[in-house]
Amino acid sequence: DGGITQSPKYLFRKEGQNVTLSCEQNLNHDAMYWYRQDPGQGLRLIYYSQIVNDFQKGDIAEGYSVSREKKESFPLTVTSAQKNPTAFYLCASTPGGERTEAFFGQGTRLTVV
Amino acid sequence: DAKTTQPNSMESNEEEPVHLPCNHSTISGTDYIHWYRQLPSQGPEYVIHGLTSNVNNRMASLAIAEDRKSSTLILHRATLRDAAVYYCILRDDWGYDMRFGAGTRLTVKP
Repeated sequence: DGGITQSPKYLFRKEGQNVTLSCEQNLNHDAMYWYRQDPGQGLRLIYYSQIVNDFQKGDIAEGYSVSREKKESFPLTVTSAQKNPTAFYLCASTPGGERTEAFFGQGTRLTVV
Repeated sequence: DAKTTQPNSMESNEEEPVHLPCNHSTISGTDYIHWYRQLPSQGPEYVIHGLTSNVNNRMASLAIAEDRKSSTLILHRATLRDAAVYYCILRDDWGYDMRFGAGTRLTVKP
């Protein structure tokens, strides 16, 4: 089936450790996105990528890093510099263009203790 | 900053129509209006989109004001499964920049 896969669904890490969240899509979409969602809040854009080897900062990029070495993969690293990393992280993809719909993964819930 | 404004929450009774408003007063001529919804503990899913004319699909209808500064998502008969957070966003010419606001949390009462 075509879609976006985020793994793992739940992730626990100790404070001070970097952690990488996986996002893979087999939809042949050009653009991929990472969002953060805190309880009861909306989605905030962390990073997005329009094409391989290129990405743009969103509204809350500090403490996060990304790479886009392959079209189908857009991993997000939550670094130790992120002051409050516990949140629900969502990945999305879209072919690009204002008339196309975006597809979202099921999310990764990260808990840092 | 989100370019749309939505009420924080709305309530509806089951099997009644629901009208979810969205204001986008700074919309440009080529921006498309998109709606997504997010069920609890899931990623958002696409609902509908439009440019100028009203649009219908199997999930909902989208009514766009003549001046395009506001739009309304219409669920014709709300069910309990429609309880979700509904997001209205604008997509520009290239469509790559996708920013969401806080959305409207819809509660459906039996």
